[in-house]
Amino acid sequence: DVVLTQTPLSSPVTLGQTASISCRSRQSLVHSDGNTYLSWLHQRPGQPPRVLIYKVSDRFSGVPDRFSGSGAVTDFTLKINRVEAEDVGIYYCMQTTQFPYTFGQGTKLEIQ
Amino acid sequence: EVQLVESGGGLVQPGGSLKVSCAGSQFMFSDFAIHWVRQAPGKGLEWVGRIRSMPNGGSKAYAASVRGRFTISRDDSKNTTYLQMNSLKTDDTAVYYCTRQGGDYWGQGTRVTVSS
Repeated sequence: DVVLTQTPLSSPVTLGQTASISCRSRQSLVHSDGNTYLSWLHQRPGQPPRVLIYKVSDRFSGVPDRFSGSGAVTDFTLKINRVEAEDVGIYYCMQTTQFPYTFGQGTKLEIQ
Repeated sequence: EVQLVESGGGLVQPGGSLKVSCAGSQFMFSDFAIHWVRQAPGKGLEWVGRIRSMPNGGSKAYAASVRGRFTISRDDSKNTTYLQMNSLKTDDTAVYYCTRQGGDYWGQGTRVTVSS
């Protein structure tokens, strides 16, 4: 199975500042069709996960442009500009390139 | 908008069985594989299993932790996928989510508690 390692595991950030989360894979996430199926999910307490970013850098419908994804092959980053209070929660990277789907351990974003 | 709705969770004793459902709407359900993912209390996300679409053979696959105990099935006439859980253990206590192929849409989850 593909192992995804997120850093940091906890990210205290000041409102209005920028947060950055890294996700590294031990294997290439480039699919045979040429796409890279790396997504970022956000989960608020008591809520289901929801997709923010898919295929590395495509924003899901309704996601503010404060959220951006970048990276390639094995190294990926989620960046959150101008952090707002509603951004707190846990962020997961998820790969759906290889079967089975796997997830990073999660990064807890907290407002300090 | 695409919707996935899980149901059927509850409290069950160790060794018992439970069947949870995932109903999809606003998309061509029969064309999509459906995956089950669970989240134990205070823990991360764990892939449980998937069933492919019938046009793609309808094959099923399971995580090692549930293989032989859990069975996924689907009824495309009802736009519904089922997760039959047998020989339940306390470690199976979790919120169970379904997500469609690609992981773009998720249900709200159904809570399964295995306890005596």
